[in-house]
Amino acid sequence: GAGVSQSPRYKVAKRGQDVALRCDPISGHVSLFWYQQALGQGPEFLTYFQNEAQLDKSGLPSDRFFAERPEGSVSTLKIQRTQQEDSAVYLCASSSWDRGFYGYTFGSGTRLTVV
Amino acid sequence: DAKTTQPNSMESNEEEPVHLPCNHSTISGTDYIHWYRQLPSQGPEYVIHGLTSNVNNRMASLAIAEDRKSSTLILHRATLRDAAVYYCILHGSSNTGKLIFGQGTTLQVKP
Repeated sequence: GAGVSQSPRYKVAKRGQDVALRCDPISGHVSLFWYQQALGQGPEFLTYFQNEAQLDKSGLPSDRFFAERPEGSVSTLKIQRTQQEDSAVYLCASSSWDRGFYGYTFGSGTRLTVV
Repeated sequence: DAKTTQPNSMESNEEEPVHLPCNHSTISGTDYIHWYRQLPSQGPEYVIHGLTSNVNNRMASLAIAEDRKSSTLILHRATLRDAAVYYCILHGSSNTGKLIFGQGTTLQVKP
């Protein structure tokens, strides 16, 4: 597609439930990032992939968060045993070889609400 | 990572120019200045970037101070669709390319 696609658009999870959030980057884009955005705050970095390699996961808040990109295209962010503090918008961004120098393309995000 | 400082909010009237300031006094020589904006319920959108010289594109202009410790994003004629949060970010050429977002400036445009 022409842009970065994220699904689902909205997700309501009961506390303790596992969730999986999907990101379809622009075809051929090498770099893929996940960000977490709490209400009223700027996005915060979670993790970075270059093709299928996860090169930086320093922003993942706990070991309940796990991301993968097995074939270097689609990526999934998984959150196990969700907690209320996980409620946020999860954004995915991708870029080509330039590592975002000419700008990243972001998806519209998945809004996760943990009840 | 070098930090940026922006006003929390600004107001503008429709059809008038808007100057959004950003301070980045600890910028390094290899840092580029990037601007993104985020409309309600959408992901951030790339606006413009520059290193030393002023830059223009179809969306905006970027004016960079001679000492590079500050910059200004200029919207030449604000429209209601320009109401968004504007983020000024330093992008280092040596890192992975991850973006460090601050709080940004919330721009309100009045008709």
